[in-house]
Amino acid sequence: ELKVEQNPLFLSMQEGKNYTIYCNYSTTSDRLYWYRQDPGKSLESLFVLLSNGAVKQEGRLMASLDTKARLSTLHITAAVHDLSATYFCAVDSPTQGGSEKLVFGKGTKLTVNP
Amino acid sequence: DTEVTQTPKHLVMGMTNKKSLKCEQHMGHRAMYWYKQKAKKPPELMFVYSYEKLSINESVPSRFSPECPNSSLLNLHLHALQPEDSALYLCASSRWGAVTEAFFGQGTRLTVV
Repeated sequence: ELKVEQNPLFLSMQEGKNYTIYCNYSTTSDRLYWYRQDPGKSLESLFVLLSNGAVKQEGRLMASLDTKARLSTLHITAAVHDLSATYFCAVDSPTQGGSEKLVFGKGTKLTVNP
Repeated sequence: DTEVTQTPKHLVMGMTNKKSLKCEQHMGHRAMYWYKQKAKKPPELMFVYSYEKLSINESVPSRFSPECPNSSLLNLHLHALQPEDSALYLCASSRWGAVTEAFFGQGTRLTVV
């Protein structure tokens, strides 16, 4: 059974600082996703990582994937308050028929303080 | 159009009520999903439909009954729910095939009283 572990689960950081969120998963997968969720809202897709060594950047966020280590990172550069949210990584667990069964990590609640 | 639309946004229902949640997408996606998310927890998969056929049921109680009338619509029929079923119900869709990305709707906040 695929297990996805994120750490830290809670992260409080000051504006302007850098930090990294880690996502480990237990079985082989080539597809990993990062989502953002604001309180009471749905999931917003941030990054889709589809191959070993994939690196994607959007603004102050950068995600990478190492399929051999079964590890993805979400790096936050010079944090701003607007980045406060819960961040989930999710790994695709193959199913019959080609549909996608996402297994989520527990989420990292990020709070950026002025 | 990368939108998945869910209605209603909020629903309060009694334990003896019957209600339905609706989900619609017009991206041509042939896989559609229902997820349940309790407060401060990650989403948990309930059902997957591929090409309008139920392909995964994650041992969901029968008081939840999914339906996929066509490739754009997905319903979740609710009957005799319990207060512990109160949660955010998220619909998602994705292309069918080797490379997929799930797009999520805004969710229905369900409260069972």
